[in-house]
Amino acid sequence: AQKITQTQPGMFVQEKEAVTLDCTYDTSDPSYGLFWYKQPSSGEMIFLIYQGSYDQQNATEGRYSLNFQKARKSANLVISASQLGDSAMYFCAMREGLDTGNQFYFGTGTSLTVIP
Amino acid sequence: GAGVSQSPSNKVTEKGKDVELRCDPISGHTALYWYRQSLGQGLEFLIYFQGNSAPDKSGLPSDRFSAERTGGSVSTLTIQRTQQEDSAVYLCASSLGGVDTQYFGPGTRLTVL
Repeated sequence: AQKITQTQPGMFVQEKEAVTLDCTYDTSDPSYGLFWYKQPSSGEMIFLIYQGSYDQQNATEGRYSLNFQKARKSANLVISASQLGDSAMYFCAMREGLDTGNQFYFGTGTSLTVIP
Repeated sequence: GAGVSQSPSNKVTEKGKDVELRCDPISGHTALYWYRQSLGQGLEFLIYFQGNSAPDKSGLPSDRFSAERTGGSVSTLTIQRTQQEDSAVYLCASSLGGVDTQYFGPGTRLTVL
């Protein structure tokens, strides 16, 4: 089974609207971390937000929030007030365990296009 | 402080040649990761280092691929006898440890003719 599943290859959103990018994960480890990265056309991977499996509250970072539903094993990224600069590929990732260097698993990504 | 740096940014080589890709992690980061990203695809894990040792080499696609890390800092990914299917962007990331986030370099775009 895929460790990380992103079912939306492409998404469009109107500027200033909110958008949700879906991510589901699969693990039997009780300790894990969930990450979202943005990859603009320049190619660099930019860290956006992190959610730990034991965190009680959903993570937020500025316009980014992570809708963490542990029982459903989903970690959707919500971008509020979309901007043209948000157009990029977005990758969901998971690290199992708490030890340094555990492998990260990445999803196949969602391409987001913000329409003026 | 400086982020993760990689060199070269672009490399064009002929099939059959060897190439070396370099990664300078963020100072103090003990963990270092190599990934490969083919055009329009997600990230494929290759190898990670904890200090100078590589506990997990399971992602290396073949024995033509090798990597080393010296002094707990710089890492080199070597691809011997390159093939056209090796063409991709090779990304390096480092992390401080524990539950820390990985921070990525800008990547090396490898083209094998």
